[in-house]
Amino acid sequence: DIQMTQSPSSLSASVGDRVTITCRASQTINNYLNWYQQKPGKAPKLLIYAASSLQSGVPSRFSGSGSGTDFTLTISSLQPEDFATYYCQQTYSSPRTFGQGTKVEIK
Amino acid sequence: EVRLVESGGGLIQPGGSLKLSCAASGFTFNTHWMHWVRQAPGKGLVWVSRINVGGTIRDYADSVQGRFITSRDNAKNTLYLQMNSLRDDDTAVYYCAKEGLYDTLDIWGQGTMVTVSS
Repeated sequence: DIQMTQSPSSLSASVGDRVTITCRASQTINNYLNWYQQKPGKAPKLLIYAASSLQSGVPSRFSGSGSGTDFTLTISSLQPEDFATYYCQQTYSSPRTFGQGTKVEIK
Repeated sequence: EVRLVESGGGLIQPGGSLKLSCAASGFTFNTHWMHWVRQAPGKGLVWVSRINVGGTIRDYADSVQGRFITSRDNAKNTLYLQMNSLRDDDTAVYYCAKEGLYDTLDIWGQGTMVTVSS
């Protein structure tokens, strides 16, 4: 199975900050990497697919990059509604493993 | 409106069985792979299973392989998860999700809670 490791596990940031979350795969997954946002008590929401493509309706302050084993989710200017937990998921092979999540908290 | 609604969760004793349902509406159900994902209280997302459009290909996480069975009824636009030999660590919110382009999980249900406890 492919293991997905996110870092950091949590971070504190202020509104307007630039935030970067990384996700590393235990083997190459090309660009088969998606990012999700989850708010407390809610279902996850798709943000980024194929490592760098923005899902329709998602604000342009979100961006993704990377290929192979190392990936990044960036929020260019953190907004109040962005405080949430973010997950990466590989779709290169089954089982379709998720990272452990990164919680973005208010500083 | 594209919608997924899970049902069937509840309190069950260890070793017991439970069947979850996921009713789909607002899209052509029989043209999409479907997935189950779970989340234990205070923990992260864990992929559980997926099924192809015809119900002939099913994948499972190692943790549920041999105990859980995913199925679908395309005539009823419904996805199922039969859970057998339930254990304490199966306690979680179970989400169904629709697979979209690029193997994304683009639509999620609201989740149904399963609690395994004596």
